Amino acid sequence: AQTVTQSQPEMSVQEAETVTLSCTYDTSENNYYLFWYKQPPSRQMILVIRQEAYKQQNATENRFSVNFQKAAKSFSLKISDSQLGDTAMYFCAFTSGTYKYIFGTGTRLKVLA
Amino acid sequence: DAMVIQNPRYQVTQFGKPVTLSCSQTLNHNVMYWYQQKSSQAPKLLFHYYDKDFNNEADTPDNFQSRRPNTSFCFLDIRSPGLGDAAMYLCAAKQGLGTEAFFGQGTRLTVV
Repeated sequence: AQTVTQSQPEMSVQEAETVTLSCTYDTSENNYYLFWYKQPPSRQMILVIRQEAYKQQNATENRFSVNFQKAAKSFSLKISDSQLGDTAMYFCAFTSGTYKYIFGTGTRLKVLA
Repeated sequence: DAMVIQNPRYQVTQFGKPVTLSCSQTLNHNVMYWYQQKSSQAPKLLFHYYDKDFNNEADTPDNFQSRRPNTSFCFLDIRSPGLGDAAMYLCAAKQGLGTEAFFGQGTRLTVV
């Protein structure tokens, strides 16, 4: 069975600093997709970044980048130049050959002014 | 330009009184999901549809049912809500494998 683990329930970072959120997963699949979703307080969940497992290059979206280590089954999210609007729950998610998403338990990130 | 719309945003129901939550999407995506999310926890998948093909998670209580009358609409019926069913219910839509899921704002269900 596939699992997704986020070992950091809560984190905080000073505004303008960099923070890294960790995610590990377990699967026997070779082709799969990994995602980071952001859920701000009382707002809808939105996609932050997506990684295809067959692509070795790490995905980047503006201030957000991932460190994808396929052999280690690790998929961490780096947020550079943190902004107050980055305060949210961050969920790591996995999907493979089915339509099911498997979410981690989330990391609550607080950006401090 | 909301793409996945859930109604209502807040729903209060009485213990044991049937309740229906609604979701619509303007994306014309073929996959729709219902998730249950309790406070500060990961979303828990209840059901998903691929077109009209219905997929029920093994641990989804029998108390929960779903309907998808057409591509755009999906409903979650809770036949006899218990206090433990109080949660945020999230609807999402996506197209194809490995793609982004678009979420609605959720319906927060309170059971009194």
